[in-house]
Amino acid sequence: AQTVTQSQPEMSVQEAETVTLSCTYDTSESDYYLFWYKQPPSRQMILVIRQEAYKQQNATENRFSVNFQKAAKSFSLKISDSQLGDAAMYFCAYRSADSGTYKYIFGTGTRLKVLA
Amino acid sequence: DTGVSQDPRHKITKRGQNVTFRCDPISEHNRLYWYRQTLGQGPEFLTYFQNEAQLEKSRLLSDRFSAERPKGSFSTLEIQRTEQGDSAMYLCASSSQDRGRRTQYFGPGTRLTVL
Repeated sequence: AQTVTQSQPEMSVQEAETVTLSCTYDTSESDYYLFWYKQPPSRQMILVIRQEAYKQQNATENRFSVNFQKAAKSFSLKISDSQLGDAAMYFCAYRSADSGTYKYIFGTGTRLKVLA
Repeated sequence: DTGVSQDPRHKITKRGQNVTFRCDPISEHNRLYWYRQTLGQGPEFLTYFQNEAQLEKSRLLSDRFSAERPKGSFSTLEIQRTEQGDSAMYLCASSSQDRGRRTQYFGPGTRLTVL
């Protein structure tokens, strides 16, 4: 069974600085998708960035980028120029590319605090 | 595109009562998912529909839980004889079937408190 581990329960970053959130996963599959979702307090989860495992190039979305290391099964999220609005819970998620299942497997989350 | 909506947003009930939650997916999405999120944890998968067919269920979905999507549009999740351990946020998500557009979009959740 696949597992996702986020070993940092909480992180803090100064406004305008850069922070990296860690995520590792375990799978025997070769094709899968990885995601980072953001969940602000009392608000719904929104997609931050996604990565297809077959793509070697790291995904980027504006200030957000990932460092995908397939061999190490690592998928970290870098947030550049941190803003107060980035404060939230961040969840890493895995989804098999097997057409038989579409469920996400989530980590336990990292709470990001942004200091003014 | 109005996003995924869920109703109610909050539900407080007494142990032993039945509760039902509703999820309206993004209109063109034919896949719908239910997850449960307890405090301090990430969401855990409960069940998944493609159109009206329930194709996958987690072992977390005990006999007291039932989900339906009768016309392939909105879905309901019912919990019978609620227990205090059922207190959680229940999240609904939807996605397209089209390759390249299978990212799941989440609703705001229904927070259930069982007294």
